[in-house]
Amino acid sequence: NAGVTQTPKFQVLKTGQSMTLQCAQDMNHNSMYWYRQDPGMGLRLIYYSASEGTTDKGEVPNGYNVSRLNKREFSLRLESAAPSQTSVYFCASSGTRGYGYTFGSGTRLTVV
Amino acid sequence: ILNVEQSPQSLHVQEGDSTNFTCSFPSSNFYALHWYRWETAKSPEALFVMTLNGDEKKKGRISATLNTKEGYSYLYIKGSQPEDSATYLCALDSGNTPLVFGKGTRLSVIA
Repeated sequence: NAGVTQTPKFQVLKTGQSMTLQCAQDMNHNSMYWYRQDPGMGLRLIYYSASEGTTDKGEVPNGYNVSRLNKREFSLRLESAAPSQTSVYFCASSGTRGYGYTFGSGTRLTVV
Repeated sequence: ILNVEQSPQSLHVQEGDSTNFTCSFPSSNFYALHWYRWETAKSPEALFVMTLNGDEKKKGRISATLNTKEGYSYLYIKGSQPEDSATYLCALDSGNTPLVFGKGTRLSVIA
């Protein structure tokens, strides 16, 4: 089925470890996004990519880097994980304006 | 950062009750208003995208209205069912920037 695929679904890291969250979409969408969801905070934008070759910071970019590898793929990297980065991470994509975002199934990350 | 407010934060209703909740946004920064349904342990799914003042959208027992002049949207659920239990998110599209999401209204429908 067409959609947004995120990997992994779950991950436990030790403080200071690094990891990359992968996201791929097969809907030919131009724009892709990374959000984090924390209790009581709603969805907060970390980084986004309006089109292939561009990336921009969102509301909470500190501690993260992103790569728009091609039109399909947008990865999120934690270089040195901290307990404050324990969260559920969602990737999303969007195409033509006026249509909603399509979200991946989320990655539950715990940093101990 | 634009502020999108949703109320109430949570809501408990009995099966069969009708309910509604509110999304407020800055009316000066408006292109479209999105509503999403987010079930526990799943990802948000788009319900409606509304662009015109006075717009009304309907999907089964769920409907939404939009007032861009005063900056609010209402989501209504008629005859709530347990499967309607979810968090309902609204999000403001204000131009060539990503959506800004409210914190959501968590609805619990008790059988």
